[in-house]
This record gives sequence, C-alpha cells and structure tokens, in this order.
Amino acid sequence: EVQLVESGGGLVQPGGSLRLSCAASGFAFSNYAMHWVRQAPGKGLEYVSAISSNGYNTDYANSVKGRFTISRDNSKNTLYLQMGSLRAEDMAVYYCARVARGKFDYWGQGTLVTVSS
Amino acid sequence: DIQMTQSPSSLSASIGGRVTITCRASQSINRYLNWYQQKPGKAPKLLIYDAASLQSGVPSRFSGSGSGTDFTLTISSLQPEDFATYYCQQSFSTPYSFGQGTKLEIK
Repeated sequence: EVQLVESGGGLVQPGGSLRLSCAASGFAFSNYAMHWVRQAPGKGLEYVSAISSNGYNTDYANSVKGRFTISRDNSKNTLYLQMGSLRAEDMAVYYCARVARGKFDYWGQGTLVTVSS
Repeated sequence: DIQMTQSPSSLSASIGGRVTITCRASQSINRYLNWYQQKPGKAPKLLIYDAASLQSGVPSRFSGSGSGTDFTLTISSLQPEDFATYYCQQSFSTPYSFGQGTKLEIK
C-alpha cells in the first residue's frame, strides 16, 4: 500500500525556519518525481515545489523561490522541504504528493505550518 | 505560467442530480488535465487524469471531457459522498497549476 506521511509542521515565528519531511512507503520512491502542494486556511491548492526522481532537477513557485529548498534522500525514502524566512502568507497545510506522468496520484495527509508571533 | 480558471466557484445540486464543472486553461494544454476531489480536512483525491481517464476505484458516474483549453467534469446521479470541492490541474508544463476550486453543496 502506497503511503506518504508528512511531519515537521508546527508553530514558527515570522522570519523563522522549519523543515518538513515526507516519509514514503509501499512503492519504489526513487522512480518518482515528488511535489509539495500547500493549502492556506479556507483557500485552494497551490503548487510549492517539485523535485525529479533522482533529485537533480528542482522547481519552485515564485512565492517561495530563494526561501524554500526541496530535497530528497532516496536511500531513506524521504522527501524534504526546508523553509526559511517564513511569512504569514506561508501559513498552510503542506501536502507531499507522488507524481506519475503529471498526475498527483497519491497524497499525504498534510502537515500544518502556522506562522505567528 | 499557465493559469487555470474554474467555473462556477460554487453550486448546489440535489441527490440524484447531474452537475458539470468547467475548467479553462490560459493556453492549450492538449489533454493534460486532471481533476481532484477534496473533502474538508482531507487530502485531495485523484478522480480523472488526462482529461477523460477514470482513476482506478473511482465510480463511473464521474466523467471528464475536453482538450486544448476547455474541459469539463460531469458527475451524474449525485450521491451524498460527492458533495465536496473539486479542482482541476494542468500537467502540460511546470508549475503544474490548479484551478481555484468549485464547491459542490447539497440543495
């Protein structure tokens, strides 16, 4: 059974940092690109970042470029999102998702990031 | 970046009824269009991929159509569990952008 389990969310002050993790199981993690997608309270889905299966290629939404870093450890079947210089507008539930031919076929349950002083 | 626009933003319908949700891309995306269902407090769930292909396990009352810039999601014979928010997403080019969502409520 495919499972994606996010962790690392929590309360952080504006300007602070946080690292999210997404532990994958039930599939060959190293064969799939992965994405982070976020959802602010009461809002829609927003692309955050993507990484290729081997980790060599990454991409970011303009809103997080230069502040967030996506990475993966295929030996540990884990995806990461290092978030820095956090702002109030970064507050959201962050989902990791497996990407298969462009479709997000499996999602984690999400982890909530709250940015507040 | 490709912009995705859904309409309507919300709609109400009755159990057993039929609804259609529209998604328009800011440029041609061929058939690289996916649809997701999201219920409150839950992760999105893939329903339709490549505009018209039904994801495994999704009931056949869900169907998708379209190509180029205009796409539709149709739900026939609405069931209580179908009342949720629906999102389209293009997978033609990164960033894989989403529509703003359509909330389907019970009439």
